[in-house]
Amino acid sequence: SQKIEQNSEALNIQEGKTATLTCNYTNYSPAYLQWYRQDPGRGPVFLLLIRENEKEKRKERLKVTFDTTLKQSLFHITASQPADSATYLCALDEWGGSQGNLIFGKGTKLSVKP
Amino acid sequence: DTGVSQNPRHKITKRGQNVTFRCDPISEHNRLYWYRQTLGQGPEFLTYFQNEAQLEKSRLLSDRFSAERPKGSFSTLEIQRTEQGDSAMYLCASSFWTGTAAEAFFGQGTRLTVV
Repeated sequence: SQKIEQNSEALNIQEGKTATLTCNYTNYSPAYLQWYRQDPGRGPVFLLLIRENEKEKRKERLKVTFDTTLKQSLFHITASQPADSATYLCALDEWGGSQGNLIFGKGTKLSVKP
Repeated sequence: DTGVSQNPRHKITKRGQNVTFRCDPISEHNRLYWYRQTLGQGPEFLTYFQNEAQLEKSRLLSDRFSAERPKGSFSTLEIQRTEQGDSAMYLCASSFWTGTAAEAFFGQGTRLTVV
């Protein structure tokens, strides 16, 4: 069956450390993968998109990697801050990039302690 | 343009009643998506439109759910004969699809409580 799994429901880290979140997928062949941030009671907000031919993508303190052999994406937040505390969702195109229908993982709730 | 707008933000209804939600996407976006999200879960795909055409519905979507996007602008999602299991956050998103990857812009959602 098709699955998107995010490594843990919750991740607690100390301010200033690097947070690493994992997204694994099974029986999908995505052409790209996206990461979103969601705060309580609000809709998800787009952060980064990485294509299958890109190994790594960066945006300020954020870095995403995409390994199509391992079927895995890693999402890093460097020099984490309490304001980074939120749920982070990974999403991929169900039909491999041809349709634009995004399927989401359950998310990882990140808590950054001061 | 202030982004994707959803109304109402909250809806409490009695079991068996019909409810309708509205979504106004970003004006130049041709794609519109509906998702449902329950506590501790990621958004679950319900259906999506390209312009006014409904291209896909989730296989898990009950016949009590129907969505429209007349004239390819705003969209409505109707749930008939609501059940307690329909209680969730209903999210709308839009994107500008040109045949390749596109980020989705989400609204704030409509929280439905069926009592």
